[in-house]
Amino acid sequence: DTAVSQTPKYLVTQMGNDKSIKCEQNLGHDTMYWYKQDSKKFLKIMFSYNNKELIINETVPNRFSPKSPDKAHLNLHINSLELGDSAVYFCASSQLRFGGEQYFGPGTRLTVT
Amino acid sequence: DQQVKQNSPSLSVQEGRISILNCDYTNSMFDYFLWYKKYPAEGPTFLISISSIKDKNEDGRFTVFLNKSAKHLSLHIVPSQPGDSAVYFCAANSGGSNYKLTFGKGTLLTVNP
Repeated sequence: DTAVSQTPKYLVTQMGNDKSIKCEQNLGHDTMYWYKQDSKKFLKIMFSYNNKELIINETVPNRFSPKSPDKAHLNLHINSLELGDSAVYFCASSQLRFGGEQYFGPGTRLTVT
Repeated sequence: DQQVKQNSPSLSVQEGRISILNCDYTNSMFDYFLWYKKYPAEGPTFLISISSIKDKNEDGRFTVFLNKSAKHLSLHIVPSQPGDSAVYFCAANSGGSNYKLTFGKGTLLTVNP
């Protein structure tokens, strides 16, 4: 049974479109995250929600909007997609505590053409 | 501003020998460090961690060493196995209430049979 799942795994779309990526965790964690891994392979935090409240909001264009309907789900909606948004997006979850390691989903490879 | 640096993009080791992966950091506020392993087309998986109050943590074949004065940590894998071939990410927790992780760029380890 998958701990952190993301859909879709691959997403190919054209510039200007709006798309969503969904994430679900069944680990009972209270915190979820979105990371972006760009072409330079850095994993960078974008957002984090703890018990449905936004606790990390890095410098990300406001075309990106996370939504957490409940503790087990964190979705990422992207408006007006640009070429530079092409990347792999990872969802993760953890218990928010010192030493709380994060568990990652398999990633969503987004390609904007 | 790279606060966590993995200066070796790749490392090649013979099966059965020791693999040593290095990581340097610049932020003295980091108080918890983690290593993640990532296979292609999968999300990172947690491997081992260490708190800043310790200088060594061991888990089976994996040992992490922390040198706070040098702001340096290393991951030792003994003995190395072909299945260990993956990208290894070093990550650091900056403390505070949101336990944000900052990742290095990763080191590709190849273990040759």
